[in-house]
Amino acid sequence: QKEVEQDPGPLSVPEGAIVSLNCTYSNSAFQYFMWYRQYSRKGPELLMYTYSSGNKEDGRFTAQVDKSSKYISLFIRDSQPSDSATYLCAMKGSNFGNEKLTFGTGTRLTIIP
Amino acid sequence: KAGVTQTPRYLIKTRGQQVTLSCSPISGHRSVSWYQQTPGQGLQFLFEYFSETQRNKGNFPGRFSGRQFSNSRSEMNVSTLELGDSALYLCASSLALLAHRRSDTQYFGPGTRLTVL
Repeated sequence: QKEVEQDPGPLSVPEGAIVSLNCTYSNSAFQYFMWYRQYSRKGPELLMYTYSSGNKEDGRFTAQVDKSSKYISLFIRDSQPSDSATYLCAMKGSNFGNEKLTFGTGTRLTIIP
Repeated sequence: KAGVTQTPRYLIKTRGQQVTLSCSPISGHRSVSWYQQTPGQGLQFLFEYFSETQRNKGNFPGRFSGRQFSNSRSEMNVSTLELGDSALYLCASSLALLAHRRSDTQYFGPGTRLTVL
C-alpha cells in the first residue's frame, strides 16, 4: 500500500462547477501538506501549502487538512478551463526519515467550457 | 527572479549508455532535490543535496547518482541506462536558509524528458 493515495481520475466537470480533489495518507508523521498543479509537459507548480490541520483559502482555491482522519482536500470554486491540469498532493514530516516530499499519483482534471 | 532551469529539456539515449542532467536552482536557494516522474509510479524522490552534501536519498539503485557544486547547481547521472529509466526527471530547489528547517517550499523546474531506446 502506498503512503499517499490519490484517485487518478480522470475527472471532467463543466465550467463554473466546484471541484473537489482528495488524498489520503497513512504516515502520521506528515505535518506539511501541499497541492501542486502540473500542466502537460511542464513541471509542478505549487498551489497551496498548509501546516498541520485546518483550512487555508487563496482566491478560488481552498485546502483542507484533517490529520485525525489522515485526509486532505483541495476545492476549486468557479472552475475555469485554464484549471484543466493534473493536480498532485504532496506531504512531508520534519523528523528524520520523513523530510522528503511524498507525492500522490495525481488527478487529471478537465474543465469543460 | 528566474525560476529553476534544467538542461537539456529532451534527451534520447540507448540502453547501456549513461546520461548527465543539469539543474540550476533559483538564485539564493541552497537545497536541490531530484525526482523521477513516470505514468505508472508518479513522482518519486531520488535524492536531495544541501551545501554540496547529499542529505536524503530515495529507493533507487546505485546507477543513479548526483552532486551539487559550490554555486548550488546540481547534476544527476544515470549509468548503464535501462528501458525503465525513461521518464521525466524533475529538479526542485528550496531556500533552506537554516539547515534544519524542513518546511521550506520546493519550486520545480520544467524537467528533462529522457527516452531510452
